[in-house]
Amino acid sequence: AQKVTQAQTEISVVEKEDVTLDCVYETRDTTYYLFWYKQPPSGELVFLIRRNSFDEQNEISGRYSWNFQKSTSSFNFTITASQVVDSAVYFCALSVPGWRDDKIIFGKGTRLHILP
Amino acid sequence: EAQVTQNPRYLITVTGKKLTVTCSQNMNHEYMSWYRQDPGLGLRQIYYSMNVEVTDKGDVPEGYKVSRKEKRNFPLILESPSPNQTSLYFCASSPGTGRAYEQYFGPGTRLTVT
Repeated sequence: AQKVTQAQTEISVVEKEDVTLDCVYETRDTTYYLFWYKQPPSGELVFLIRRNSFDEQNEISGRYSWNFQKSTSSFNFTITASQVVDSAVYFCALSVPGWRDDKIIFGKGTRLHILP
Repeated sequence: EAQVTQNPRYLITVTGKKLTVTCSQNMNHEYMSWYRQDPGLGLRQIYYSMNVEVTDKGDVPEGYKVSRKEKRNFPLILESPSPNQTSLYFCASSPGTGRAYEQYFGPGTRLTVT
């Protein structure tokens, strides 16, 4: 069975601090996809990044970076020099192509507060 | 503008009164999906559809029905709503089969069942 664990329910940091959001996933399949989504206070869900299981390169996009480590089944998300606008709920998700189904499993989310 | 629309955005209803939440996308996406979001539980997939006339259960399908008669539309039907279906509902779509692609979400429908 597939599972996504975001152990940090809520995090608060002061603006300009760096913060890392953890995501641990479980799957027995060798082909899978991982995603991060952001849900700001306005409520919409915004796609941030997709990573497939064969691409372990870390990615950086501005102040955002993602660390994918298959050895620990983790796909962590770091915000550098956080800003108040980064305050949101962040979801990690796992998708495993298979003959039985095409479900997408989300973690329970981490609520991030950036304090001014 | 490429988007996923949902209607209504807010709905208060009573137990047992059938309702439909509509979802429509204008991106010609094959994959569409419904989720519910509850505090502490994150997003849970209700139903998904890989193409017209093809629908499958997600993790929490009980009490819900869907149909996919046209590629752009994927309505969520609650035949006999109950208070435990009070939640925030999101429709989403993605290209291809959906597994490998990011999803585009609608704005959400907040449903209250009394």
